[in-house]
Amino acid sequence: DIQLTQSPSFLSASVGDRVTITCRASQGISSYLAWYQQKPGKAPKLLIYAASTLQSGVPSRFSGSGSGTEFTLTISSLQPEDFATYYCQQLNSYPRGTFGPGTKVDIK
Amino acid sequence: EVQLVQSGAEVKKPGESLKISCKGSGYSFTSYWIGWVRQMPGKGLEWMGIIYPGDSDTRYSPSFQGQVTISADKSISTAYLQWSSLKASDTAMYYCARLYYDILTGYAYMDVWGKGTTVTVSS
Repeated sequence: DIQLTQSPSFLSASVGDRVTITCRASQGISSYLAWYQQKPGKAPKLLIYAASTLQSGVPSRFSGSGSGTEFTLTISSLQPEDFATYYCQQLNSYPRGTFGPGTKVDIK
Repeated sequence: EVQLVQSGAEVKKPGESLKISCKGSGYSFTSYWIGWVRQMPGKGLEWMGIIYPGDSDTRYSPSFQGQVTISADKSISTAYLQWSSLKASDTAMYYCARLYYDILTGYAYMDVWGKGTTVTVSS
């Protein structure tokens, strides 16, 4: 089974900061990776799919990159509504799709 | 509007059975996989399993194989997650989500999510 790790697990940042989250796969998954945002008490929301394609309606300050085993989610200028937990998900094993452990982005 | 509507919160005792539901609307229910995701209190997302309502093809995570049953009734556009004997460790939020698949590119992603069903198991 493909395992995902995320770093850091927790990140403290200020409004306006540039934030980068890394997701690593235990084996190559091409670009079959999605990123989700989850706020407390809410369902996850799709941000990015195919490693770098922004879902419709998602602000352009979010971007994704990478392929193979290493991927990044970048928020170019953190906004108050971006404080949340972010998860990566691999879909190389379609239709199976394991999640990473998550990265919580908190207010400094 | 494409949406998944999940059944309401449940409070059960250990050993009881339970079936929760996820009703799709606004799209062709039989043409997309529906997955189930567990989130234990304060923890991350865990992929449990997935079903294709068109032919009931079902896949499970090894962690959940034999612990739950996923099914669907395409006549009423509804997917189900059920337990035959609940444990306290089944206490969690359960989400269903549609798996969108782009046949041209091979990319897939969970684009529509239900609001979740809270399951509490306590004696």
